[in-house]
Amino acid sequence: DAGVTQSPTHLIKTRGQHVTLRCSPISGHKSVSWYQQVLGQGPQFIFQYYEKEERGRGNFPDRFSARQFPNYSSELNVNALLLGDSALYLCASSVTTGGDEKLFFGSGTQLSVL
Amino acid sequence: AQSVTQPDIHITVSEGASLELRCNYSYGATPYLFWYVQSPGQGLQLLLKYFSGDTLVQGIKGFEAEFKRSQSSFNLRKPSVHWSDAAEYFCAVARTGANNLFFGTGTRLTVIP
Repeated sequence: DAGVTQSPTHLIKTRGQHVTLRCSPISGHKSVSWYQQVLGQGPQFIFQYYEKEERGRGNFPDRFSARQFPNYSSELNVNALLLGDSALYLCASSVTTGGDEKLFFGSGTQLSVL
Repeated sequence: AQSVTQPDIHITVSEGASLELRCNYSYGATPYLFWYVQSPGQGLQLLLKYFSGDTLVQGIKGFEAEFKRSQSSFNLRKPSVHWSDAAEYFCAVARTGANNLFFGTGTRLTVIP
C-alpha cells in the first residue's frame, strides 16, 4: 500500500514568491494535517483538514493557507515567502478506527527560501 | 500554555547498551503522549503512545515508555540499543486524539560500535 506521498520533495524559492505543496493521503484516510519542521526543531502544527473542512489551525500567519479536495488530497499554500519559511513541510494523514486515531507522516517537502 | 521539554539534545550510546530518553511536559490536564522517531530523509514514525490505563507502554522496535504523573514525565527506554536505532527522537503531546501534536525539540541518538 502506498504511504502518504508529498510533492515536490525539494523546492527552492526566493523571498516574496508563492509556493504550493501537495499531499496525497493513504487510501481511505479522510484527514490530512500539515506540520512545519525548521532545522533543529520539532515539527509545528499548521493545519488539519477533515472531509474538506478545516478542523484545526496552529499559530501561523494568514500567509499560510490550505485546502482539501474531494479525493482527500491537500495543498498547502504559502504567500510572500520569508527566509524563515525555509523548513521541511510534513504532511500526515489519519484514520480513526474504534475510537483510536492513527497518524501517518509523509517524508516531507524541503523548502529553501533564498 | 503547553510545553514539551527534551533536555538532552544529543545522546551517544554503545551498541547493546541501555537507553533512556527524557521527556517532561507541561499541560493543563493529562495529555495524550507520544514518542516518534525520525531517520534522515524520512518522515516521522510512531513508536508508542499513552492515552490512559497502564502507565508502562510497549511500542515497536523494543521501545517502552513510562508515564509518571507526579513528575510530568514520559521517558522512553530500550534495554539494548541496535545501530539501526540511530535517529532523532521526538516526544509529543496532544489534547485529544493523535492529531494537533505539540512536539519537543528532539533528541539525536548516535550509536557507536
